[in-house]
Amino acid sequence: GESVGLHLPTLSVQEGDNSIINCAYSNSASDYFIWYKQESGKGPQFIIDIRSNMDKRQGQRVTVLLNKTVKHLSLQIAATQPGDSAVYFCAEVPAGSYQLTFGKGTKLSVIP
Amino acid sequence: DAGVTQSPTHLIKTRGQQVTLRCSPKSGHDTVSWYQQALGQGPQFIFQYYEEEERQRGNFPDRFSGHQFPNYSSELNVNALLLGDSALYLCASSLAGTGNLEQYFGPGTRLTVT
Repeated sequence: GESVGLHLPTLSVQEGDNSIINCAYSNSASDYFIWYKQESGKGPQFIIDIRSNMDKRQGQRVTVLLNKTVKHLSLQIAATQPGDSAVYFCAEVPAGSYQLTFGKGTKLSVIP
Repeated sequence: DAGVTQSPTHLIKTRGQQVTLRCSPKSGHDTVSWYQQALGQGPQFIFQYYEEEERQRGNFPDRFSGHQFPNYSSELNVNALLLGDSALYLCASSLAGTGNLEQYFGPGTRLTVT
């Protein structure tokens, strides 16, 4: 499949360690945020979302943190596994909009 | 439960030609959005269709047009293809009743313009 990882920031982690992927968003009017995972040759896969009235949300092995003061979003993956290797994108949605605006993406490589 | 499907998987066209890409939404979804993803970049919003009408449009020229059918499937048409239109075209479906926020993506159509 095609590579979506060219020219992207890369994070390399050891299998079993925790991963933290960061994202700076641009629109202070955004009130909904999503993290997507994209494997080579596939479309983005929904991981977890968070609304602007929250600062933390937990899923299965993943946690999203939102800091509206500095317009920063992070995705924490616990006990990272080889299957977590992919490009991760954050996306924001301004209030009243249906448009996802994606960040640049981070390539996560898990070292077995 | 069928996910979002797109056809064709790959397509090669010549500059100046026209192309039509197709998308079937996830079962139960009624809204379709189209995105363009250049190599190494995040997807960029082209437009969204709901109730067979274009509801919102991103910053793309009129060469990009679309259609939604009564069964909620959708087509993306691009006229007068340019080399810069080479990209992965992604379709995402969602449900209007939940605010269209949780968008599920298909595998995409890889378009190459020569």
